[in-house]
Amino acid sequence: EAQVTQNPRYLITVTGKKLTVTCSQNMNHEYMSWYRQDPGLGLRQIYYSMNVEVTDKGDVPEGYKVSRKEKRNFPLILESPSPNQTSLYFCASSTTATDTQYFGPGTRLTVL
Amino acid sequence: EDQVTQSPEALRLQEGESSSLNCSYTVSGLRGLFWYRQDPGKGPEFLFTLYSAGEEKEKERLKATLTKKESFLHITAPKPEDSATYLCAVRPTFRSNDYKLSFGAGTTVTVRA
Repeated sequence: EAQVTQNPRYLITVTGKKLTVTCSQNMNHEYMSWYRQDPGLGLRQIYYSMNVEVTDKGDVPEGYKVSRKEKRNFPLILESPSPNQTSLYFCASSTTATDTQYFGPGTRLTVL
Repeated sequence: EDQVTQSPEALRLQEGESSSLNCSYTVSGLRGLFWYRQDPGKGPEFLFTLYSAGEEKEKERLKATLTKKESFLHITAPKPEDSATYLCAVRPTFRSNDYKLSFGAGTTVTVRA
């Protein structure tokens, strides 16, 4: 089944404790992206990747890092999480940058 | 700056009561407008892409239309299973390497039996 998977689905952590949210897609998509979703603000793009080893900032990149060493994986790294990063995070992928994006199931992160 | 505004924020409908959701946008040039459905606790699920004014797409009880300034998502004779949050997103015309989608905040639709 074609899908985007994220792990973990739920995470509660404390300020400053480094964490990684994984994202994997099995559709051989070139383009991958991370979004955060906050009430009343809609989905906002954090980082995106056009292909392996090619990443760039979205609208709200501060406090986040990404890497794209393999085509299928696009992990999101929070090196020193803060409470304002409490949010619902989605990974998405598409065949190319201009095609329809397909979303993962989401990761709900709470930073205490 | 690109702006996407969805209205209303919430819509409560009786089963069978047709209605429309609005997505108005301000972009330098439109590459595509996307509609997604999002159920609680799940990721957005793709519904439609519209590319040019006058275009229409249909899927079951949903019909999306596009003008130069806005898009409408019409729900005809809705059923309780149509309850969800509907998201609109726009992709502006290419500028440098920016292919990002700009999303609206969504309209939450509740259909009562």
